Amino acid sequence: AQTVTQSQPEMSVQEAETVTLSCTYDTSESDYYLFWYKQPPSRQMILVIRQEAYKQQNATENRFSVNFQKAAKSFSLKISDSQLGDAAMYFCAYGDPNRDDKIIFGKGTRLHILP
Amino acid sequence: EAGVAQSPRYKIIEKRQSVAFWCNPISGHATLYWYQQILGQGPKLLIQFQNNGVVDDSQLPKDRFSAERLKGVDSTLKIQPAKLEDSAVYLCASSLISWNPGELFFGEGSRLTVL
Repeated sequence: AQTVTQSQPEMSVQEAETVTLSCTYDTSESDYYLFWYKQPPSRQMILVIRQEAYKQQNATENRFSVNFQKAAKSFSLKISDSQLGDAAMYFCAYGDPNRDDKIIFGKGTRLHILP
Repeated sequence: EAGVAQSPRYKIIEKRQSVAFWCNPISGHATLYWYQQILGQGPKLLIQFQNNGVVDDSQLPKDRFSAERLKGVDSTLKIQPAKLEDSAVYLCASSLISWNPGELFFGEGSRLTVL
């Protein structure tokens, strides 16, 4: 069975600095997706960034980028120029397109932004 | 475009009582998910529908939880009888499976407290 592990329950970063959130996963599949979702306090969870496993190039969305290491089964999220609005729970997630897009989530990392 | 609608937002019940949550996904989204998010943990998939058929309900406690998706649109999740450990936020999400796979659109959630 696939698993997603986030080993950092909480992290803090100074405003305007860069922070990296870690995620590891386990799967025997070669075709899959990885995601980072953001859940702000009392607000809906939204997709931050997505990475297809067959793509070697790391995904980037504005200030958000990933470091995808397929062999190591590692998928970290880097947030550059951190802003107060980045404060949230961040969930790493794994998706299996061969199983009707079943998505499983890690336990999350709570990110605090220090002004 | 209207988002995923959920109701009620909050519900407090005594153990052994029953409760029902309703979800209206984004129009045209074929896939609907119910997740259970216990405080401090990541979302756990309870059931996944593709149109009005069940794709995955392997983690649904079927002795007390039931879910249906009539006509492939709205969905209802029911708990009967509730236990203390059912206290959680119940998240509904939908996706357009054949487009942007893995991008789930979440509702605001229904927070259940079982006393």
